[in-house]
Amino acid sequence: SYVLTQPPSVSVAPGKTARITCGGNNIGSKSVHWYQQKPGQAPVLVIYYYNARPSGIPERLSGSNSGNTATLTISRVEAGDEADYYCQVWDSDSDHVVFGGGTKLTVL
Amino acid sequence: EVQLVESGGGLVQPGGSLRLSCAASGFTFSDYYLSWVRQAPGKGLEWVSVIFNDGRTDYADSVKGRFTISRDNSKNTLSLQMSSLRTEDTAVYYCARGSGTYFDFDHWGQGTLVTVSS
Repeated sequence: SYVLTQPPSVSVAPGKTARITCGGNNIGSKSVHWYQQKPGQAPVLVIYYYNARPSGIPERLSGSNSGNTATLTISRVEAGDEADYYCQVWDSDSDHVVFGGGTKLTVL
Repeated sequence: EVQLVESGGGLVQPGGSLRLSCAASGFTFSDYYLSWVRQAPGKGLEWVSVIFNDGRTDYADSVKGRFTISRDNSKNTLSLQMSSLRTEDTAVYYCARGSGTYFDFDHWGQGTLVTVSS
């Protein structure tokens, strides 16, 4: 089955840029989606289809995807960005949805 | 406004059964595929099952043969029948709406907690 690998944690100072990676075999050929989840809340879609943002998601969040790594980039990080972030793909070989293990973003 | 409201969670003994429901509003229910996604306490998201517009279904290996997803387009309701429950099924269960072409989930409910314990 398809596996997505994320670092457990990323730390960044306010105003700096955070990069959260999502590794998978030839993930560059897949549409990768990213979700933000704050404590006690449901996940929120923040990036879909490589680098599209749903309404209300700031331009500071962007996605890229190439080779075996997809990346969520958060520019000018704010305290409110502190959350868990999950990547997700559709594995057409198994017809399964696959989530990464999640990355906890800490704003120092 | 799109709304998804889960219900039916609770405490159940190992080997028992439970039925979750998700009431949808604010969109044309029959036009969308829907999924159940769960999250064990302190853990990450785990996809459980999906049901497409045409009724086709898929399941995670961990629940295949024990869980059944269904939808009632006349009542705008998504369901998950869970049987032979195990302690490792303990989690918050979310229903999520698939946005369409790209297999992402653009709206989520607030979740319902299922606890499997003796």
